[in-house]
Amino acid sequence: IAGITQAPTSQILAAGRRMTLRCTQDMRHNAMYWYRQDLGLGLRLIHYSNTAGTTGKGEVPDGYSVSRANTDDFPLTLASAVPSQTSVYFCASSEGRGSSPLHFGNGTRLTVT
Amino acid sequence: KQEVTQIPAALSVPEGENLVLNCSFTDSAIYNLQWFRQDPGKGLTSLLLIQSSQREQTSGRLNASLDKSSGRSTLYIAASQPGDSATYLCAVRRGGADGLTFGKGTHLIIQP
Repeated sequence: IAGITQAPTSQILAAGRRMTLRCTQDMRHNAMYWYRQDLGLGLRLIHYSNTAGTTGKGEVPDGYSVSRANTDDFPLTLASAVPSQTSVYFCASSEGRGSSPLHFGNGTRLTVT
Repeated sequence: KQEVTQIPAALSVPEGENLVLNCSFTDSAIYNLQWFRQDPGKGLTSLLLIQSSQREQTSGRLNASLDKSSGRSTLYIAASQPGDSATYLCAVRRGGADGLTFGKGTHLIIQP
């Protein structure tokens, strides 16, 4: 079934540790996004990539980095996790044309202690 | 900065009722608007996408309208069913290459 796969599903991480959240899509979409969802704050864009080889900063990029080496994969890295990064992280993709809808993965629930 | 507001934050209605969810945005210069539903512990599922040049979109029992000049969109759900219970989110895109700005959602419960 075509879609977006995120891993891990959930993770408990000690503060200061490095963590990479994985995201893979098999729809050959050009654009990919990372969002975090927090109670009371809704979904906020962290980083995005409009095509392989390019990335951009969203609304809340500090403390996170991304890479886009190929079309299918868009990993999100927390270099040194802090408790405020406790959240649910969603990866999304779209064909890249502005008129196409976003498709979301099922999320990664991350707890930083 | 674009801000998206959804009213009400929560809604509980008996099965079979028609209902309207509201979404407003502060900057009318949008590229398109998208409605999603989110089930507990799950990702978002796209319901409808309305381009800035369109007034409405329909899919089954769902109808979404857009009044860009007034910064408003509504999602109309006809003949609601318990399976419609979920959180409904609206989101706007400023430009073709931009990400979406989301509202905080309306938590909908349909009572059997």
